[in-house]
Amino acid sequence: DVKVTQSSRYLVKRTGEKVFLECVQDMDHENMFWYRQDPGLGLRLIYFSYDVKMKEKGDIPEGYSVSREKKERFSLILESASTNQTSMYLCASSSTGEGTDTQYFGPGTRLTVL
Amino acid sequence: GDSVTQMEGPVTLSEEAFLTINCTYTATGYPSLFWYVQYPGEGLQLLLKATKADDKGSNKGFEATYRKETTSFHLEKGSVQVSDSAVYFCALTGGSQGNLIFGKGTKLSVKP
Repeated sequence: DVKVTQSSRYLVKRTGEKVFLECVQDMDHENMFWYRQDPGLGLRLIYFSYDVKMKEKGDIPEGYSVSREKKERFSLILESASTNQTSMYLCASSSTGEGTDTQYFGPGTRLTVL
Repeated sequence: GDSVTQMEGPVTLSEEAFLTINCTYTATGYPSLFWYVQYPGEGLQLLLKATKADDKGSNKGFEATYRKETTSFHLEKGSVQVSDSAVYFCALTGGSQGNLIFGKGTKLSVKP
């Protein structure tokens, strides 16, 4: 089974802190994604990556950056956390062999910024 | 641009009731269509998918048929269980990079 893990299920940070959210997948997938999920808004794509050291902006990249130094790991960075970044963050991965169709999700990190 | 519209919830049903969650889409080209499910406290799981017109995706008693003429992909189940209580997301492959585009989700609560 595909497994996507995220470093924390719950995280509380203060405004202005630098925050790292880590995601690891164990299926050698080429593609990895970061979404945020907010009530009434569904899932919105923040950043994605099709290969090591590659990154592409999604629909809402402002205030975020990413890092992909190894194929299995994709990190989301909040350089200076703000209260409007309080949200559920979901990581996903997919294989190029299947197209970018089927994405496999981690359990999510619920981030609260005070 | 490409988009997905699904019925707003919450939807509350009694056990063994029939379920329909409506989903319609707008897309250029021929996207693949998906239903994902999110159980309480968990990430999203793929429930079913269909890759071309008239395909029917099915899993765990759920079904959805890719209807190109009505641009719809409605989710149905003949007899829901309490364990089906979750949030259901309709999605398609679209956008400039061919990524997934999600609807806003429909929360389903099934009462015993």
